Amino acid sequence: SQQGEEDPQALSIQEGENATMNCSYKTSINNLQWYRQNSGRGLVHLILIRSNEREKHSGRLRVTLDTSKKSSSLLITASRAADTASYFCATAPGYSSASKIIFGSGTRLSIRP
Amino acid sequence: EAGVVQSPRYKIIEKKQPVAFWCNPISGHNTLYWYRQNLGQGPELLIRYENEEAVDDSQLPKDRFSAERLKGVDSTLKIQPAELGDSAVYLCASSFTPTVSLGSGELFFGEGSRLTVL
Repeated sequence: SQQGEEDPQALSIQEGENATMNCSYKTSINNLQWYRQNSGRGLVHLILIRSNEREKHSGRLRVTLDTSKKSSSLLITASRAADTASYFCATAPGYSSASKIIFGSGTRLSIRP
Repeated sequence: EAGVVQSPRYKIIEKKQPVAFWCNPISGHNTLYWYRQNLGQGPELLIRYENEEAVDDSQLPKDRFSAERLKGVDSTLKIQPAELGDSAVYLCASSFTPTVSLGSGELFFGEGSRLTVL
């Protein structure tokens, strides 16, 4: 079963615009992570935010976490063609061993030149 | 530093045939994961190892799937016999989990093994 659901399922924007993806989850968590997957490749870790954090930045990435709403958002600013990929949120449920990581269904992001 | 290595990258087999996938995690990573990813979907956890112990295999179809992690390092995932619905990408990942209370850090993924069952 999948814990998280990303929204939208697909997103197409012009290069240079900002891209926002949302993730909702069902149970309490220890942390939430975002991953990127280029076509035909493995997943690559982008950023981790702990349950006691509300916002985190890494380069052009900004992640927010609202534990009361059980939701997170990933913002990519000044998008580039190389950002074209699928993006997944992943949660470590708080009810079990914190090494259990469950992925959502993903957002497919396309950047138009 | 070498990343997570998986083999084979691609495998095409007839249904009812056996297949095995191999994973070599990053040195020092105590947690190893096998995920299955269907086209257009997120990875689905099949089994998770803490060192050599399988601590979560609730999603592993045990009638046909088996896995092992000898000496807490390399791991093998086997399907016997394969069915048409097993066509997917099988991803291996590893991480270092210092203590349960601190939680897991990032997962490092291999490139995956793409299985096609005809």
